[in-house]
Amino acid sequence: NAGVTQTPKFQVLKTGQSMTLQCAQDMNHEYMSWYRQDPGMGLRLIHYSVGAGITDQGEVPNGYNVSRSTTEDFPLRLLSAAPSQTSVYFCASSYEGWETQYFGPGTRLLVL
Amino acid sequence: DAKTTQPTSMDCAEGRAANLPCNHSTISGNEYVYWYRQIHSQGPQYIIHGLKNNETNEMASLIITEDRKSSTLILPHATLRDTAVYYCIVSRYGQNFVFGPGTRLSVLP
Repeated sequence: NAGVTQTPKFQVLKTGQSMTLQCAQDMNHEYMSWYRQDPGMGLRLIHYSVGAGITDQGEVPNGYNVSRSTTEDFPLRLLSAAPSQTSVYFCASSYEGWETQYFGPGTRLLVL
Repeated sequence: DAKTTQPTSMDCAEGRAANLPCNHSTISGNEYVYWYRQIHSQGPQYIIHGLKNNETNEMASLIITEDRKSSTLILPHATLRDTAVYYCIVSRYGQNFVFGPGTRLSVLP
């Protein structure tokens, strides 16, 4: 199993641009989530999903959209990038419930 | 969810036990204690979790006080590869995880 994969590894955007961060898992996990981590800080939950077609907001959802059309994929869309969205983004998945989450390697995003 | 308090940083000699404390004085009866760690900007890694009984797995032991207001993660024989930021999280059924700043553990040779 590849586990949780994220693309791209690194991205530079200009303010106002949009982009999609990709996340995929091959473990047949129902639960998936997106976190952001700012320098020197812990992780904050952006959006999460408990199954295909079901998504909900986390702690910091503004400026981000998600959809879950398949069990495997959970893309995160930045609608209009802002410098405040400069961060490292982690995707995670778990089989049943949130107890044991498997994290991807992260995407480093720089918004100029 | 209850909040947690952890020391900012700790050192531990290689081969010795690393004991990482966590205070969660406002924990409620149905909230679990979870521990994750993050090695050098990689994605966090699950370590262990528990409700009120002590737990042990191949990575670590979790000791929860009887009043459940604090806990200790024990790495029995720390190695250099255990150098990481360790997060103590309190959550009901793992929902709405809040990763605070954690404890930066440095294992020294």
